[in-house]
Amino acid sequence: QVQLVQSGTEVRKPGASVKVSCKASGYTFTDYYIHWVRQAPGQGLEWMGWINPNSGGTNYAQKFQGRVTMARDTSISTAFLELSRLTSDDTAVYYCARGNIVVVSTVLGFEYWGQGTLVTVSS
Amino acid sequence: DIQMTQSPASLSASVGDRVTITCRASQSISSFLNWYQQKPGKAPKLLIYAASSFQSGVSSRFSGSGSGTDFTLTISSLQPEDFATYYCQQSYSVPYTFGQGTKLEIK
Repeated sequence: QVQLVQSGTEVRKPGASVKVSCKASGYTFTDYYIHWVRQAPGQGLEWMGWINPNSGGTNYAQKFQGRVTMARDTSISTAFLELSRLTSDDTAVYYCARGNIVVVSTVLGFEYWGQGTLVTVSS
Repeated sequence: DIQMTQSPASLSASVGDRVTITCRASQSISSFLNWYQQKPGKAPKLLIYAASSFQSGVSSRFSGSGSGTDFTLTISSLQPEDFATYYCQQSYSVPYTFGQGTKLEIK
């Protein structure tokens, strides 16, 4: 069965960086896009960007440009999200989600999600 | 960016009720509209994709309709497990924006 398992809770000080991992199993990792979505406490969902695990290509939301890096290690079927220059506004649960198959450009929703990683930014 | 506006923001209903949630896009998104259910402390669950296509394993109580800028999610007969927050999401163009959510509560 398809599973996305994320790394654990992180606490960082303002100005620091954080790296969250998302390990995929149950399917061929390089066949499907991975998207990252975050949710601040009590707030809605915010799409951050995607990575194509096959090519390593990325597409980031403009809001995060210059501060976000999405990467993957195909040898361990794992995607990574790194966010730098953290502020208290970055306190949120960060989710990875599986998108569409990479050979198809149409995005039809995110069927599989990780369990979420809480990142707290506090001095 | 395409703005997604859901209404209502919250809704109180009873078991057995039929409820409808509306989502409006700031520009035409064809049928690239998805609906999710989220319960507290859990990841979102995909219910409907491409405006009206049922996600495998999702109850037939849930249905979606619409195209262009106006979309609806209907729950035909509310069950206790349906009380949650619902989000629409456009997947027409990046950034793939979400609506602000509709919290469905028990009356």
